[in-house]
Amino acid sequence: DAGVIQSPRHEVTEMGQEVTLRCKPISGHDYLFWYRQTMMRGLELLIYFNNNVPIDDSGMPEDRFSAKMPNASFSTLKIQPSEPRDSAVYFCASSLGGHNEQFFGPGTRLTVL
Amino acid sequence: KNEVEQSPQNLTAQEGEFITINCSYSVGISALHWLQQHPGGGIVSLFMLSSGKKKHGRLIATINIQEKHSSLHITASHPRDSAVYICAVLYYNTDKLIFGTGTRLQVFP
Repeated sequence: DAGVIQSPRHEVTEMGQEVTLRCKPISGHDYLFWYRQTMMRGLELLIYFNNNVPIDDSGMPEDRFSAKMPNASFSTLKIQPSEPRDSAVYFCASSLGGHNEQFFGPGTRLTVL
Repeated sequence: KNEVEQSPQNLTAQEGEFITINCSYSVGISALHWLQQHPGGGIVSLFMLSSGKKKHGRLIATINIQEKHSSLHITASHPRDSAVYICAVLYYNTDKLIFGTGTRLQVFP
């Protein structure tokens, strides 16, 4: 298995632009998590899905953030409009069961100018 | 105050030294994870434990549920162990991980 796949690996955009981050979980995993990592706040959970259904989005910072999981093999995290304070590394992770080991993707480093 | 406290924040060691990283949390949990993040940024799960001790190669993780404390030990440390080690807990009745701030380890030859 290729592991969790994220794209793009790096994204540089200007303030106000829409940004879409993509994630393909490990086949067969039923949980998908989106995390954000910054120097100031460390790793934070943004939202997670179970069987493609959003379970908890309380970590999503603002209405500018949205996430979808249209099927078991694909999820997106969208920021519209983007702001400089959104600059961070965004990780996607998947697991089989909510209480088991999570497998992390390589992350997307987002820079908003 | 962070719900998950790690110590030390930074750690420097000479190759071959025994390393201990500590993690404390404030409420009951169903499981605790130890993660490793290398300088390149990738995150790897090292252990998930809910009681006792687990060992994998030179790494040992222990947890004391009563004291709400876990330790990660590295025996015979090596420069390739240099990374950030992150503790994360799973509280009861939730699937959400709460992360510590990490311990940055540097092992010099």
